[in-house]
Amino acid sequence: AQRVTQPEKLLSVFKGAPVELKCNYSYSGSPELFWYVQYSRQRLQLLLRHISRESIKGFTADLNKGETSFHLKKPFAQEEDSAMYYCAPWWAGNQFYFGTGTSLTVIP
Amino acid sequence: EADIYQTPRYLVIGTGKKITLECSQTMGHDKMYWYQQDPGMELHLIHYSYGVNSTEKGDLSSESTVSRIRTEHFPLTLESARPSHTSQYLCASSEDGTGKVGYTFGSGTRLTVV
Repeated sequence: AQRVTQPEKLLSVFKGAPVELKCNYSYSGSPELFWYVQYSRQRLQLLLRHISRESIKGFTADLNKGETSFHLKKPFAQEEDSAMYYCAPWWAGNQFYFGTGTSLTVIP
Repeated sequence: EADIYQTPRYLVIGTGKKITLECSQTMGHDKMYWYQQDPGMELHLIHYSYGVNSTEKGDLSSESTVSRIRTEHFPLTLESARPSHTSQYLCASSEDGTGKVGYTFGSGTRLTVV
């Protein structure tokens, strides 16, 4: 069965420090990979898609098919990055599978 | 403004009551979804629809039902609410079903059954 693991429920980093939010998935296939973010009192929204090879708000995500991981990274964390982050693989079928999320706090 | 709307934002209701959570989108999306999320847990897909008169159950078994009579409207109904239904319910829509463009989420309804 498809499974998404975000091992850290809570993550705190200091402003300006690098941040990495981990995501591992398990499935016998090649999903498309996404990260969603939910800022305080805002909706869940799409942050970035692996297929686009994009960098959004300084975040990038590297797909490692060998390790089945899709970690989200940013070299210098900002206070406005504090939010809940969800890794969401999409398997050809019909839906996203969301991880349990990582709550990131950036300490001033 | 093209968007997706959920009402109510918060609902506290007694056991045994019938409730309908509303979800409407003005983006013309064919695909719509309902997710359930307990605090600190994953989002679980409970219902989805690929168009008018099309509804399917998701991976998480749910006692709720949905209907899709109009493209823009995808309400979720609980015939008899129970405390176990206490959760957050998120509605989402997508312009295609391939996942490539992601979902647009509503603000959610936080339901408490007492």
